[in-house]
Amino acid sequence: EAGVTQFPSHSVIEKGQTVTLRCDPISGHDNLYWYRRVMGKEIKFLLHFVKESKQDESGMPNNRFLAERTGGTYSTLKVQPAELEDSGVYFCASSQSTTAFFGQGTRLTVV
Amino acid sequence: AQSVTQPDIHITVSEGASLELRCNYSYGATPYLFWYVQSPGQGLQLLLKYFSGDTLVQGIKGFEAEFKRSQSSFNLRKPSVHWSDAAEYFCAVGPWSGGSNYKLTFGKGTLLTVNP
Repeated sequence: EAGVTQFPSHSVIEKGQTVTLRCDPISGHDNLYWYRRVMGKEIKFLLHFVKESKQDESGMPNNRFLAERTGGTYSTLKVQPAELEDSGVYFCASSQSTTAFFGQGTRLTVV
Repeated sequence: AQSVTQPDIHITVSEGASLELRCNYSYGATPYLFWYVQSPGQGLQLLLKYFSGDTLVQGIKGFEAEFKRSQSSFNLRKPSVHWSDAAEYFCAVGPWSGGSNYKLTFGKGTLLTVNP
């Protein structure tokens, strides 16, 4: 069974540009989460999808971040325009019952 | 507000030595506690979790953790560390409400180095 897959693994962009991160959850998992770890800080919750619906987006930093999950399958997280403080590792996780499976993360560097 | 404290940023142990990673939490309700590990280039992997019942929880890779409500702690232990255990370890607390609620609060992580 394939795990949670995230693309790209690394991304370096300039301040003001747009970046889109993608997460492919484990097939059949209704729940999908995005987390972020800024350097030196904790991993922090961003939002939670149940199928295609946003269940909880209380952790989204600001309106420069837009998450979608069309059709309840893969999810994208767009940052537009990117700022320096957006640099960090973005994790995606999916779950169906009592265990959440995390992807390897996307390391975003904004220069 | 809930929080998790991992007091040790970096720990170095020799291979074969015992290990204890500390985790303290602050949570207003019954906590649901987790330990995750991230090896280089890998995603976060669940080592073990505590929901209720026996306060000593067994996990994968020979790890265990003990929930102590009076001390608000959930320390991770392993009797004999292997070189492959070198990784970053994260303690997390969640508001588990049944189903699949994984809105977790993480600690800052403890980086484990294993000397040969």
